[in-house]
Amino acid sequence: EAQVTQNPRYLITVTGKKLTVTCSQNMNHEYMSWYRQDPGLGLRQIYYSMNVEVTDKGDVPEGYKVSRKEKRNFPLILESPSPNQTSLYFCASRQQGYTEAFFGQGTRLTVV
Amino acid sequence: GDSVTQMEGPVTLSEEAFLTINCTYTATGYPSLFWYVQYPGEGLQLLLKATKADDKGSNKGFEATYRKETTSFHLEKGSVQVSDSAVYFCALPPLRGGYNKLIFGAGTRLAVHP
Repeated sequence: EAQVTQNPRYLITVTGKKLTVTCSQNMNHEYMSWYRQDPGLGLRQIYYSMNVEVTDKGDVPEGYKVSRKEKRNFPLILESPSPNQTSLYFCASRQQGYTEAFFGQGTRLTVV
Repeated sequence: GDSVTQMEGPVTLSEEAFLTINCTYTATGYPSLFWYVQYPGEGLQLLLKATKADDKGSNKGFEATYRKETTSFHLEKGSVQVSDSAVYFCALPPLRGGYNKLIFGAGTRLAVHP
């Protein structure tokens, strides 16, 4: 089954404790992205990757890091989480071109 | 720049009512247009898409037609069910330099009651 898998689904952490949210896709897509979804602000792109070792900032990259060492994986790293990073996070992947994106189930992160 | 405007919600309907959610966009010539649906507690799923002007996308009883002359892609369903309660997003790929992301509307929350 074609899918994007994120883990964990729910995470509560404390300010400053480094965390990683994993994302994996099994569709051999070139493009992968991370979004955050906040009430009243919609979906905002954090980082994206166009292929292995090729990443770039999206609209709200501050406080986040990513890596793309393998085509299927695109982890999101919060080196020092802060409460303003409490949000619902989605990973997505797409084929090259003007194609639709496939989304993971989401990770609800709470930073206290 | 590229943008998508959706009607504000929430939209509240009775079961079996007719649904329209308006979506307009800023420019002409987009290669694709999409509607996504987000059910409570879940990620976004592609509901339907259209890949050229006058193309009609359809799925699960929902329809949307790519109207180039009015730059619109309105979502419709003839008879909604309680299970259609969700947030609906209109989306498109930017015309220039757009491989990195889709442009999403703000989302329209639909609540259907029995």
